[in-house]
Amino acid sequence: DSGVTQTPKHLITATGQRVTLRCSPRSGDLSVYWYQQSLDQGLQFLIQYYNGEERAKGNILERFSAQQFPDLHSELNLSSLELGDSALYFCASSVASNLADTQYFGPGTRLTVL
Amino acid sequence: GQNIDQPTEMTATEGAIVQINCTYQTSGFNGLFWYQQHAGEAPTFLSYNVLDGLEEKGRFSSFLSRSKGYSYLLLKELQMKDSASYLCEGGSNYQLIWGAGTKLIIKP
Repeated sequence: DSGVTQTPKHLITATGQRVTLRCSPRSGDLSVYWYQQSLDQGLQFLIQYYNGEERAKGNILERFSAQQFPDLHSELNLSSLELGDSALYFCASSVASNLADTQYFGPGTRLTVL
Repeated sequence: GQNIDQPTEMTATEGAIVQINCTYQTSGFNGLFWYQQHAGEAPTFLSYNVLDGLEEKGRFSSFLSRSKGYSYLLLKELQMKDSASYLCEGGSNYQLIWGAGTKLIIKP
């Protein structure tokens, strides 16, 4: 158990809909990262927040947005969903803002768009 | 753009040793990390290198040569549970790059 929690574990929705994924980092970690992993594909880095502020951006679509709250939990919002958005979405946390830091991953949210 | 290259798949025998290579074309990484990911599960941290040389952690070791843009993960005394994907990741103050992962298949 990494200490990172994600909810929900599974999510099934329809095209065009909007969903919110939630992540709570390990106690003491200030950085939260979001990743997308499609079936049999590598990890795609989406975005990083550090202590409430956006720190780094990867290949995040304009339809996706994220935020980190004062209690350090983070939410990833996915809107106008398409079939291709079906994937595992991982959240990870680390202590520092530096991208060269060990990351601890949550169990993931499996999103299925029908 | 920047990228990290790893072999797509490797096969090894239980009890043997396997080396998974990772090469990159960019400089400026402050650290080179290795993660293990079993199918359908979250990646878990294995090892990292900040300086050139070998870092040993039990059955797993990782090596880095920054001048050559090269790292490898060495797994000894392979066990069936080592069947997984191994991900190489480079990080710095301003970039975070992941390799596509190497799927390691262990045969009895």
